[in-house]
Amino acid sequence: GNSVTQMEGPVTLSEEAFLTINCTYTATGYPSLFWYVQYPGEGLQLLLKATKADDKGSNKGFEATYRKETTSFHLEKGSVQVSDSAVYFCALSDRTAASKLTFGKGITLSVRP
Amino acid sequence: DTAVSQTPKYLVTQMGNDKSIKCEQNLGHDTMYWYKQDSKKFLKIMFSYNNKELIINETVPNRFSPKSPDKAHLNLHINSLELGDSAVYFCASNDGGAYNEQFFGPGTRLTVL
Repeated sequence: GNSVTQMEGPVTLSEEAFLTINCTYTATGYPSLFWYVQYPGEGLQLLLKATKADDKGSNKGFEATYRKETTSFHLEKGSVQVSDSAVYFCALSDRTAASKLTFGKGITLSVRP
Repeated sequence: DTAVSQTPKYLVTQMGNDKSIKCEQNLGHDTMYWYKQDSKKFLKIMFSYNNKELIINETVPNRFSPKSPDKAHLNLHINSLELGDSAVYFCASNDGGAYNEQFFGPGTRLTVL
């Protein structure tokens, strides 16, 4: 079956530090890939997405590139802010009729001023 | 305008009770989902409906019964609530586009005492 593996957390960074959150996946076929963010006490928001190899998703300074050869979709940001503190989820959608999302375990990011 | 809405936002109840959570989307999507987020933030698919028809049922106890009166609504009824049912329940809908992007509701935090 499909699976998503995220690096273990939590992660604590100082403001303006560089962020990388690793994500790898296992899937049959050619999934769509997503990063979702959950701010404290809130629901899930789509952060960025990619649908084919070498696609780069980007939003709010975050980027991730769909790497088919390494089955990865690592999230990066050049300079994090305190407001980026949240839980980040990597997910894939299998493009079947149901197209359910399979999520990684999520990683908590805390950014210190 | 709220795209995917859920009611109630919080639900506190006693073990053994029966409760319902309602979900509505005004996006015109055909496919809707219920996800469960446990205390460790792990997200897992429970059910999916496509145009009022059940298409995913992920080994959820039969105390959980989804109902879709029309394609804009997907409700979740839970009988004989147990302590382990305490979680945040998210409703989502799928745009069926190239990315199969899912749009999430704000979540319902269920606490069983």
